[in-house]
Amino acid sequence: EVVLTQSPATLSASPGERATLSCRASQSVRSSLAWYQHKPGQAPRFLIYGASTRATGVPARFSGSGSGTEFTLTISSLQSEDFAVYYCQQYDNWPPWTFGQGTKVEIK
Amino acid sequence: EVQLVESGGGLVQPGGSLRLSCAASGFTFSSYWMFWVRQAPGKGLVWVSRINSDGSSTTYADSVKGRFTISRDNAENTLYLQMNSLRADDTAVYYCARDLTGNVFDFWGQGTLVTVSS
Repeated sequence: EVVLTQSPATLSASPGERATLSCRASQSVRSSLAWYQHKPGQAPRFLIYGASTRATGVPARFSGSGSGTEFTLTISSLQSEDFAVYYCQQYDNWPPWTFGQGTKVEIK
Repeated sequence: EVQLVESGGGLVQPGGSLRLSCAASGFTFSSYWMFWVRQAPGKGLVWVSRINSDGSSTTYADSVKGRFTISRDNAENTLYLQMNSLRADDTAVYYCARDLTGNVFDFWGQGTLVTVSS
């Protein structure tokens, strides 16, 4: 099973700042990595797939990078609606489809 | 507009059963793999089960294998999760999600809460 480790667990930042979230895989997942945004009481939102391709309708301030075992989600300038929990998910080696434990982006 | 609406959650005693439903609309349901993903209180997202487009192939997480059954009715555009022998650690919000051909989940429902407690 591929284990995904996200860091930091919590990121405190102010609106307008840049946020950098990390996801590390226990073995190579090539570029088969996705990112999701999740707010309490809402459906998770699909952001990125193929490590770097934005899903339809996702603002350009969200960007993904990396391959193999090291991945990054960058939010270039945090907006109020971006404060949420972010999860990475691998789909290279399944089953199981695995998620990281999440990074909470909170208002500083 | 793609919509996924879960129902069927509630409070159930340990050892009991529950059947979750996920009503799909806004897309050709029969063309997509579908998944169930859960989130225990204060925890992250965990994949539970997956079914292919015609229902002929299913996969389960080890934690639910032999207790949960995923199925679908393509005529009714509905996904199901039959949960038997429920345990306290099955307590979670259960989400259904659509597969964007490639095993990523492009649309999710709002979730339904299952609480297993005596």
